[in-house]
Amino acid sequence: DAGVIQSPRHEVTEMGQEVTLRCKLISGHNSLFWYRQTMMRGLELLIYFNNNVPIDDSGMPEDRFSAKMPNASFSTLKIQPSEPRDSAVYFCASSLARAGSLKQYFGPGTRLTVT
Amino acid sequence: GQQLNQSPQSMFIQEGEDVSMNCTSSSIFNTWLWYKQDPGEGPVLLIALYKAGELTSNGRLTAQFGITRKDSFLNISASIPSDVGIYFCAGQPQDTGRRALTFGSGTRLQVQP
Repeated sequence: DAGVIQSPRHEVTEMGQEVTLRCKLISGHNSLFWYRQTMMRGLELLIYFNNNVPIDDSGMPEDRFSAKMPNASFSTLKIQPSEPRDSAVYFCASSLARAGSLKQYFGPGTRLTVT
Repeated sequence: GQQLNQSPQSMFIQEGEDVSMNCTSSSIFNTWLWYKQDPGEGPVLLIALYKAGELTSNGRLTAQFGITRKDSFLNISASIPSDVGIYFCAGQPQDTGRRALTFGSGTRLQVQP
């Protein structure tokens, strides 16, 4: 089976532009997590969904960030308008929510550069 | 939020040496996981631990869930150059029902051939 798929792998954009990052979960999984990784702050959880429902979005930096799950296997993370401080690697992780299992499987990430 | 203290921050060792790293918290954790991240890639799950005292191996890797439930250890035996990367611990604090994990800051491992 394919792992978590993220696109694009690299994105370079100018400040003020809208950025959309995409993630496809592992088939059969029902939880999705969006993370941001920087040298200064490490891995930060932005938001996570369980069965398409956002459970915790307390890590979303501000209103410029939004995330959706239009269906059970796909999610988008949108930044509008983007700012240079948003430059980071964004990961999504997929998990099968069941008792006793918290294993998360990460995608390859999207490296975002905002100039 | 919960804090995980991971140490050491970095290690530089010779090929063939054994490696040990650990993760500690001031509060109790229900689950510990260890991940490895190669440059330009996402973290890859190595080992998951669910019970206090549990000792689990994955090839040359061995991890333990501390009996106090506030720490975990990862050991790598007979290191090889491809062990290079950043190792992260992650866990679920006891006082939350959230499925979200708390991650440590990582241990950067370099192996000299």
